[in-house]
Amino acid sequence: GAVVSQHPSWVICKSGTSVKIECRSLDFQATTMFWYRQFPKQSLMLMATSNEGSKATYEQGVEKDKFLINHASLTLSTLTVTSAHPEDSSFYICSARDRGQFSNQPQHFGDGTRLSIL
Amino acid sequence: DAKTTQPTSMDCAEGRAANLPCNHSTISGNEYVYWYRQIHSQGPQYIIHGLKNNETNEMASLIITEDRKSSTLILPHATLRDTAVYYCIVRAGTASKLTFGTGTRLQVTL
Repeated sequence: GAVVSQHPSWVICKSGTSVKIECRSLDFQATTMFWYRQFPKQSLMLMATSNEGSKATYEQGVEKDKFLINHASLTLSTLTVTSAHPEDSSFYICSARDRGQFSNQPQHFGDGTRLSIL
Repeated sequence: DAKTTQPTSMDCAEGRAANLPCNHSTISGNEYVYWYRQIHSQGPQYIIHGLKNNETNEMASLIITEDRKSSTLILPHATLRDTAVYYCIVRAGTASKLTFGTGTRLQVTL
């Protein structure tokens, strides 16, 4: 149980295009999902918290107009990197926690999306 | 959330127990200790978590000291597939965020 699926797993695109990444909880419902970014040889950095039916909460220094988050259902959150540039190339990872479990229960992570901007 | 301190790297021979330490001296009473690992180019995988009692599951054991200022993750029989970065994270049970530190890079060798 507790499977989180991300799509696509790998994307390469030209500078200036927008890229959408999907995060789905396959066997549970998630009121809240989280988006992380990881640069090579670095740890995961939380970008934003995605809340179902309301606006996302962004971490300090993360541009909300650059990284658009939509959480329209209890099983799907999307991250759109708008007008992507080479410096946005990174490993993007989402996580979610089963809303039916106690708050101390762990988050479960997707396998990540590797984004390369040429 | 309380800050954690982990060794940068560790080596372990295959078949032996891997003991990964974590210091969290500023942990609060309502904060849990979570362990995740990240195999290269994959998302983090949940391993185990605990509040104050020792915990064991099919993957590992978690030993938390009585004062809760440190803990040890034990992989009883390490295999090559356990080579990964292991993250110790402290988080309040009611909090949402997980804050990742730099973790311990465990290398399991033949």
